[in-house]
Amino acid sequence: KNEVEQSPQNLTAQEGEFITINCSYSVGISALHWLQQHPGGGIVSLFMLSSGKKKHGRLIATINIQEKHSSLHITASHPRDSAVYICAVRPLMYSGGGADGLTFGKGTHLIIQP
Amino acid sequence: NAGVTQTPKFQVLKTGQSMTLQCAQDMNHNSMYWYRQDPGMGLRLIYYSASEGTTDKGEVPNGYNVSRLNKREFSLRLESAAPSQTSVYFCASSSRTSGGTDTQYFGPGTRLTVL
Repeated sequence: KNEVEQSPQNLTAQEGEFITINCSYSVGISALHWLQQHPGGGIVSLFMLSSGKKKHGRLIATINIQEKHSSLHITASHPRDSAVYICAVRPLMYSGGGADGLTFGKGTHLIIQP
Repeated sequence: NAGVTQTPKFQVLKTGQSMTLQCAQDMNHNSMYWYRQDPGMGLRLIYYSASEGTTDKGEVPNGYNVSRLNKREFSLRLESAAPSQTSVYFCASSSRTSGGTDTQYFGPGTRLTVL
């Protein structure tokens, strides 16, 4: 059974700090997603990775396929970054069809204090 | 371009009542999904549709039925609601690439309470 583990579960930091959220998974994957869930409940896709590193503004996502691990970094954090960050993977076994969809971690609840 | 829309936003049901959650997307996506989100748990896949006329069970399909009416719409039906189905329901859609990877676009969610 594929497990997706995120750490930490909760993180409170001060504005301006460098933030790292980690994600580990247990099976081979075709892609890993990082999502952001706003306090109002909406979910937005931030990154989709299958290798290496991606950057968008102050957000950086990295993945190490061999170690089955990904990190999401936020530089110069701001109170508006406060949200739940969710890691999700698409297992290789789903790539050929059948019941499809992502397997999600439980999320990291991030609070950035001014 | 509205993306993924869901109705209703909130619903309260009594045990045994039935209802249908509606979802529509205007991005011409082939794949559509229904997830539920419960406190302390990750999102879990209920049902999936790869294209019009096809559906597949996900991780937690019991107590639900789905219908892919056309390419745009994917509905989720609770025939006899139970308190265990109290949850937030998200619809999502994606356009699969040839490599099997995709970005999923989520609707705003439906908060359902079953008394």
